Amino acid sequence: SAVISQKPSRDICQRGTSLTIQCQVDSQVTMMFWYRQQPGQSLTLIATANQGSEATYESGFVIDKFPISRPNLTFSTLTVSNMSPEDSSIYLCSAGSAMNTEAFFGQGTRLTVV
Amino acid sequence: GIQVEQSPPDLILQEGANSTLRCNFSDSVNNLQWFHQNPWGQLINLFYIPSGTKQNGRLSATTVATERYSLLYISSSQTTDSGVYFCAVESNFGNEKLTFGTGTRLTIIP
Repeated sequence: SAVISQKPSRDICQRGTSLTIQCQVDSQVTMMFWYRQQPGQSLTLIATANQGSEATYESGFVIDKFPISRPNLTFSTLTVSNMSPEDSSIYLCSAGSAMNTEAFFGQGTRLTVV
Repeated sequence: GIQVEQSPPDLILQEGANSTLRCNFSDSVNNLQWFHQNPWGQLINLFYIPSGTKQNGRLSATTVATERYSLLYISSSQTTDSGVYFCAVESNFGNEKLTFGTGTRLTIIP
């Protein structure tokens, strides 16, 4: 199994500012993903973080709002830009395992925008 | 895209009771996982079960891929089982991307 460390675990931010969330995996993985969970809702995929190239965004999510970096096979960041209260959510990163396609998740970042 | 529905949406049980949670999906899948989300938001892997049956202590899961559903069984419920249970699937063309179900919120009363 993959161990994924995500930080910060929570933050309260002012509207109009940006927050960068970091995700570190304990082994090299091909695929890393970022999800958003709005209050009381299920998880929605934001984007696939590709190593060495631009992230692939899902419908409804854009790079200007959620820029993603993936400098190597064990690390990725997600930035939530120009935040508004509607961005208050839990953000989770995910990576697969080497053995099969089982996904593992970081502990999540609980973001509150005031 | 693939649709994933879970039932029931909410379930309240007394400690010691058994429960069955269901996950229906609309297309063939490469991967199906069950997760428990604790009150702090962390997703705990329960089962990786694209087909067949697995058991882990008081929990077991069965996926019937040909009929496009999966079941999670919890026996002798404990208060620590409370939380939200999600199934998530990767379609045959999903490239490891997971689509999450709507979730079942389980509350175990002492």
